[in-house]
Amino acid sequence: QKEVEQNSGPLSVPEGAIASLNCTYSDRGSQSFFWYRQYSGKSPELIMFIYSNGDKEDGRFTAQLNKASQYVSLLIRDSQPSDSATYLCAVNRNTDKLIFGTGTRLQVFP
Amino acid sequence: GAVVSQHPSRVICKSGTSVKIECRSLDFQATTMFWYRQFPKQSLMLMATSNEGSKATYEQGVEKDKFLINHASLTLSTLTVTSAHPEDSSFYICSAGQGNTGKLFFGSGTQLSVL
Repeated sequence: QKEVEQNSGPLSVPEGAIASLNCTYSDRGSQSFFWYRQYSGKSPELIMFIYSNGDKEDGRFTAQLNKASQYVSLLIRDSQPSDSATYLCAVNRNTDKLIFGTGTRLQVFP
Repeated sequence: GAVVSQHPSRVICKSGTSVKIECRSLDFQATTMFWYRQFPKQSLMLMATSNEGSKATYEQGVEKDKFLINHASLTLSTLTVTSAHPEDSSFYICSAGQGNTGKLFFGSGTQLSVL
C-alpha cells in the first residue's frame, strides 16, 4: 500500500462545476496535510493546507480532513479552465519530510 | 508565501560532465532544504534532505557520490550531478520549509537533459 494514494485521473469537469479531488494516507500518525497544484513543466505551488479535522475554506478552495478515515480532499468551486493541472496531495508526519501522492490530473473544459 | 529561487532552469549537457544546481531561500532562512526528482508524468521523489552545516541525508537508492549536496549557508543549497548520464535526465526541484509549519515552498525546478 502506498503511503499517500490518489486517483491519477484525468478528472474532467465542465467550467463552473465543482471539482472534487480525493486522497487517502496510510500513516495514522500523520499531522499535516497539503494540496499542491502543478502545471505541466512547472514546480508545485502550495494552495491549501489543513491540520485539523473538518473543513477549511480559502476562496474557491475547500480542504476537508477526516483523520478517522485517513482521508483528505480538495474541492474547487466554480472550476475554471485555468484550474486544469495536476493536484498533489502531501502528508507530513511531524518531521520535515513531505510524502507526496502521485497526483490527480484535473481537466476543466469550457 | 516564501520565495525559493532555483537556477538554472534548464541545462543541456554532454554525458560525463557535472552539473551544479543552486537553490536559494530569498526571504527566510532554511536550515533544511529538500531535493526532489520528477520524471515525466510521475510524482515527486525525494532524493535527499540538505542540512545546513552538516551532511545531507539521502533516501534509499540515491547515490550520495553521484548527487553531491552542499548546504553551506542558511539560504543556499547546491546539488551537483556528477558524471551525468542520459538516465539522469529529469526535472530536479528543490524546496525549503518555513519554520515548523510543515509547509514546503518549491523552487522553479531545473530540467536537466543529458545527451
